[in-house]
Amino acid sequence: AQRVTQPEKLLSVFKGAPVELKCNYSYSGSPELFWYVQYSRQRLQLLLRHISRESIKGFTADLNKGETSFHLKKPFAQEEDSAMYYCALSGREYGNKLVFGAGTILRVKS
Amino acid sequence: NAGVTQTPKFQVLKTGQSMTLQCAQDMNHEYMSWYRQDPGMGLRLIHYSVGAGITDQGEVPNGYNVSRSTTEDFPLRLLSAAPSQTSVYFCASSYSSPGRSGEQYFGPGTRLTVT
Repeated sequence: AQRVTQPEKLLSVFKGAPVELKCNYSYSGSPELFWYVQYSRQRLQLLLRHISRESIKGFTADLNKGETSFHLKKPFAQEEDSAMYYCALSGREYGNKLVFGAGTILRVKS
Repeated sequence: NAGVTQTPKFQVLKTGQSMTLQCAQDMNHEYMSWYRQDPGMGLRLIHYSVGAGITDQGEVPNGYNVSRSTTEDFPLRLLSAAPSQTSVYFCASSYSSPGRSGEQYFGPGTRLTVT
């Protein structure tokens, strides 16, 4: 079975501090990993996907197959980064259906 | 484009009542999905559809029915509401399989309370 674990319910940092939102997964095949974000009063949206290896809004995430992790990082947090972040996993062996983690609330304090 | 629309925004049901949550999209997307969002559990897939006339079960399908008679609409039916179905429900649509691209457009959600 595929599973996504986000160990922190809430992560609170000061503006300008580095951010790391943790995501660990279990999956027996080749996973596709994603980060979604939901800002206050906005719809849930895709932030980035591991296959693109891109930086979005200063965030990056590297897939570490050895540690089965896909942590989301940003060197300098901004207040507008405050949101709920979900890590999600899919794979061909599971019919390409998305499985989400429980989510982490990021709160950036001024 | 309205994108993905959901109605109603809020609903309170009594145990045993039935209702339909509406979802529509105007982007001509083939894939549509229903998720429920619960604290501490993230989003869980209820049912999904890969095109008109084709639906399949997700992770938590029990107590819910779906149909897809048109590309645009994907209603979710609660047959006999239970307190365990108190949740926020999200509909999403995508051009291709969301599990491959990750790209899907979410509706604003329906907050359902079952008493």
